[in-house]
Parts: sequence; structure tokens; C-alpha cells
Amino acid sequence: DQQVKQNSPSLSVQEGRISILNCDYTNSMFDYFLWYKKYPAEGPTFLISISSIKDKNEDGRFTVFLNKSAKHLSLHIVPSQPGDSAVYFCAASAGSWGKLQFGAGTQVVVTP
Amino acid sequence: GAVVSQHPSRVICKSGTSVKIECRSLDFQATTMFWYRQFPKKSLMLMATSNEGSKATYEQGVEKDKFLINHASLTLSTLTVTSAHPEDSSFYICSAKTPGQGGHPAKNIQYFGAGTRLSVL
Repeated sequence: DQQVKQNSPSLSVQEGRISILNCDYTNSMFDYFLWYKKYPAEGPTFLISISSIKDKNEDGRFTVFLNKSAKHLSLHIVPSQPGDSAVYFCAASAGSWGKLQFGAGTQVVVTP
Repeated sequence: GAVVSQHPSRVICKSGTSVKIECRSLDFQATTMFWYRQFPKKSLMLMATSNEGSKATYEQGVEKDKFLINHASLTLSTLTVTSAHPEDSSFYICSAKTPGQGGHPAKNIQYFGAGTRLSVL
């Protein structure tokens, strides 16, 4: 049973524009959410996170929004750059020692 | 900080042989490490949680006699794929947690190695 879902397997965006990646979850016990970026043949790299006590967290070009009532989070990348082309995974956990549940990932392609 | 090294990055072996993959936390002590497997275009599937000095906790459906995990020190965990077969060919990734940073809820960030591409002929 997939508790974290990324329904868009791919996203193409023009350089300079905004990339919006979406993630939905089903487990109301999740209280910590993370986004990872992955290049081919490499392990995921931690990008940004948010705890359930917040609804927004910003780090440079990356902003994560959390809507607890809708069990939805999104990652905004603005402006998008060619180096942002990668697979982005959404992950969630319940409690400080909970296992991370990953979504299936969204392949982002930023075109010049 | 929070660098995790995984070795080897790629291994090709004959069916029936065993393969050992190492995962090291280079600049921090990791009491807990994780082993994942990723199938093409699929999510990361947690195989087991490895705690230093104790037996690993395996996820449902993962054969513990097939995938041996050892976490002998605070900076090293190993995964041994025993008697590998072609269906074991996959991308294996380890991760490690940094010590708890407190807060509510406490940060639960895992840092990943670069992964190992296993090909069993």
C-alpha cells in the first residue's frame, strides 16, 4: 500500500520558470516530510524538509508547502535551472525514528 | 557534513556467488543505517534497518538469510547478498541518520550513499 504518492511521473519546464512538484500522503501519523533529489546512478541527496508544525519552509530557490488537512505537500523551484533536471522524491515519516516512506519520484527536465 | 560513502559503486558477479556492499558514515557516527533497493522507475524500497551492535530489522518479504546485514561499528554497515541470482540484480542504496537534533518533531533526515549497481550474470 503506497502511503506516499507522486502522481506525476514527469515534468518538463522551461529554464527560468517555476517547477511545482506535488506529493500526497494517506497516513495522518506522518509528521515530517522531506524532498530528495536524485541524479542517475547516484544516491538521493537531501534537499529540503518540513515538519507538521509548519506550513511552509524556504531555502533559497526551493520552497516546500504543507497542507495537512489535504494531506498534500508541494515543492516549488524558482527559477528553474538546467542543473535541476533530476528525479525528485517525496518522503514522509511518523515520529523522530519512523521509517521514511518514499513516493515513486517525479522526473524533472528543465529545458533551456 | 553528513557524508555517506558506499562501495563498490558497481559490481558484476556470476550467479551463485556472494557480494558484499559497504556503507560508511564519514564524518558522523550513525547508530542507525538503512538499506534500500530500487527497481527501474520505482521508488526506494526499504529492505532493512541496521542498528549498531544488534540484529537488523528486516521489512516484510525480505529474506534475511539472503541479505545479510552487519553493523559492527558506528560508522560501518555491510550488506551481503548471498548466492546471488539474476533476479537480485538491482540498485542498492544505503543511508544513515545523523544523531537526533531535537525539536518537535525531531528531524528525521537520512543521508544516502551513492548506491551500488549489482548485475548478476
